[in-house]
Amino acid sequence: EAQVTQNPRYLITVTGKKLTVTCSQNMNHEYMSWYRQDPGLGLRQIYYSMNVEVTDKGDVPEGYKVSRKEKRNFPLILESPSPNQTSLYFCASSFQTNTEAFFGQGTRLTVV
Amino acid sequence: AQKVTQAQTEISVVEKEDVTLDCVYETRDTTYYLFWYKQPPSGELVFLIRRNSFDEQNEISGRYSWNFQKSTSSFNFTITASQVVDSAVYFCALSGAPNSYNFNKFYFGSGTKLNVKP
Repeated sequence: EAQVTQNPRYLITVTGKKLTVTCSQNMNHEYMSWYRQDPGLGLRQIYYSMNVEVTDKGDVPEGYKVSRKEKRNFPLILESPSPNQTSLYFCASSFQTNTEAFFGQGTRLTVV
Repeated sequence: AQKVTQAQTEISVVEKEDVTLDCVYETRDTTYYLFWYKQPPSGELVFLIRRNSFDEQNEISGRYSWNFQKSTSSFNFTITASQVVDSAVYFCALSGAPNSYNFNKFYFGSGTKLNVKP
């Protein structure tokens, strides 16, 4: 089954404790992207990757890191989470940039 | 600047009514793509449509139709004879085409929550 898998689905953490949200796709897609969804703001792009070892900043990259060492995986790293990073996070992949995107189930992160 | 505006925060209709969700965009790119996604109460995001800025033809898919008007920078979405299962948050999104300034970047609107009552 074609899918994008994010883990964990829910996470509560404390300020400053490094965390990683994993994202994996099984469709051999080149393009992957991370978004955060906040009430009244819609989805905002954090980082994207056009292919292995090629990543770039989206609209709201501050406080986040990513890596793309393998085509299928695109983890999101919060080195020192802060309460303003409490949000719902989505990973997405697509064959190319402007084609249909497939989204993961979302990760609800709470930073206290 | 790239921007997508969905001015309707929430809309409530009764089943079988027609409803139009508005989307207005701003872009510095001369070629671009527009999208609509649906987020039902279960939370996942589902692709509905992609439209290239070169193609201004309206599109119909069952009860769904889209009206793209480059002159007014709008890409509106109409649901005909709405059903309870259409209840969801709908997002409009914008991305630059290849070789454009905003290629690879996506900009979403704030979403419109549609409530369809039986």
